[in-house]
Amino acid sequence: DAKTTQPPSMDCAEGRAANLPCNHSTISGNEYVYWYRQIHSQGPQYIIHGLKNNETNEMASLIITEDRKSSTLILPHATLRDTAVYYCIVGGSNDYKLSFGAGTTVTVRA
Amino acid sequence: ETGVTQSPTHLIKTRGQQVTLRCSSQSGHNTVSWYQQALGQGPQFIFQYYREEENGRGNFPPRFSGLQFPNYSSELNVNALELDDSALYLCASSSIDTSSYEQYFGPGTRLTVT
Repeated sequence: DAKTTQPPSMDCAEGRAANLPCNHSTISGNEYVYWYRQIHSQGPQYIIHGLKNNETNEMASLIITEDRKSSTLILPHATLRDTAVYYCIVGGSNDYKLSFGAGTTVTVRA
Repeated sequence: ETGVTQSPTHLIKTRGQQVTLRCSSQSGHNTVSWYQQALGQGPQFIFQYYREEENGRGNFPPRFSGLQFPNYSSELNVNALELDDSALYLCASSSIDTSSYEQYFGPGTRLTVT
């Protein structure tokens, strides 16, 4: 019962920005948007989260629309090591149950 | 800072058997969650432990049970194994007291039930 919709896959050229969309039209006012990624044969890795404002850290940027019904994760300069499944998750600030959907398989090509 | 570790890495069991999987939380974390990830799917929440008590449970039957120890390490026990229990089992630690949004996942235990 994932609350998000993501494209199943996307390709990206190495060195270019990767823009990963996510729809979460039923998000409630106190729910955050979290992004995790899972590189093959590893556990998921936290990337970034946000509530209303755009966020940036050393890994990525998160752009959330004003109505909060969708967001975009931006990997500014994709490398081959960024090839992974990216999960967009919606949840409360103390909601430690992460509801993973199928995610987006991102393939970065040289 | 020690990361989340899990043991064993791989395990093969026979249908009907019981299995125990282990997880050591990241230093400073007091909450551990367990997830099941079937091949080609996203992880599914099994349950969470905080202060040695179950703090939330997903849609898994009672034959999935767990423990959290005073040092915050944890075990996942599965009784009466079924073929569909074959999956990657992930544990994740976090610190509920600091309201950290990040859950730190271990590398997982790959369980195969034959």
